[in-house]
Amino acid sequence: IAGITQAPTSQILAAGRRMTLRCTQDMRHNAMYWYRQDLGLGLRLIHYSNTAGTTGKGEVPDGYSVSRANTDDFPLTLASAVPSQTSVYFCASSDLSGLQFFGPGTRLTVL
Amino acid sequence: AQSVTQPDIHITVSEGASLELRCNYSYGATPYLFWYVQSPGQGLQLLLKYFSGDTLVQGIKGFEAEFKRSQSSFNLRKPSVHWSDAAEYFCAVLPAGGGADGLTFGKGTHLIIQP
Repeated sequence: IAGITQAPTSQILAAGRRMTLRCTQDMRHNAMYWYRQDLGLGLRLIHYSNTAGTTGKGEVPDGYSVSRANTDDFPLTLASAVPSQTSVYFCASSDLSGLQFFGPGTRLTVL
Repeated sequence: AQSVTQPDIHITVSEGASLELRCNYSYGATPYLFWYVQSPGQGLQLLLKYFSGDTLVQGIKGFEAEFKRSQSSFNLRKPSVHWSDAAEYFCAVLPAGGGADGLTFGKGTHLIIQP
């Protein structure tokens, strides 16, 4: 089934630990995105990638890094997690019209 | 920078009653406009979108939205809600032409359905 997969589904992490959230799409979309969702704040863009090999910063990039080695994968890394990074993380990709498709999300708790 | 305002944090509607969720945007040019729905613990599902043309757009699950340029609004409506419509609703905008800078979301409206 075409779409976006994210892993893990949920994770509890100790502060200071490194964590990589995985995202894979099989729709051959050039553009991919990472959002975080927090209660009362909606979804906010962390990083994006227009095409393989390029990345850009969104609204809330601090503490996060991304890479885009190929079209399908767009991992998000927290180098040293902090409790304020407790959130639900959504990966998305978009077709040429700009229509975005979202993954199921990763619920991350940093203690 | 563009922004999206959903003025109602919570809305309570009786089952079978009509619904209107408000969305206003601030942007230099008419952007692309979207409504997404999120059920508890789930991801986001696209309800409908407006790119151009007819300002009244039909979506899934009986929802529709009307783009009003003069009011910079894109309100979501449904004539008769069902208990299964209880969810979080998000309005979002994207620069016209697509762009790859990501969607700008409103903060969401939580819809509660009373029996």
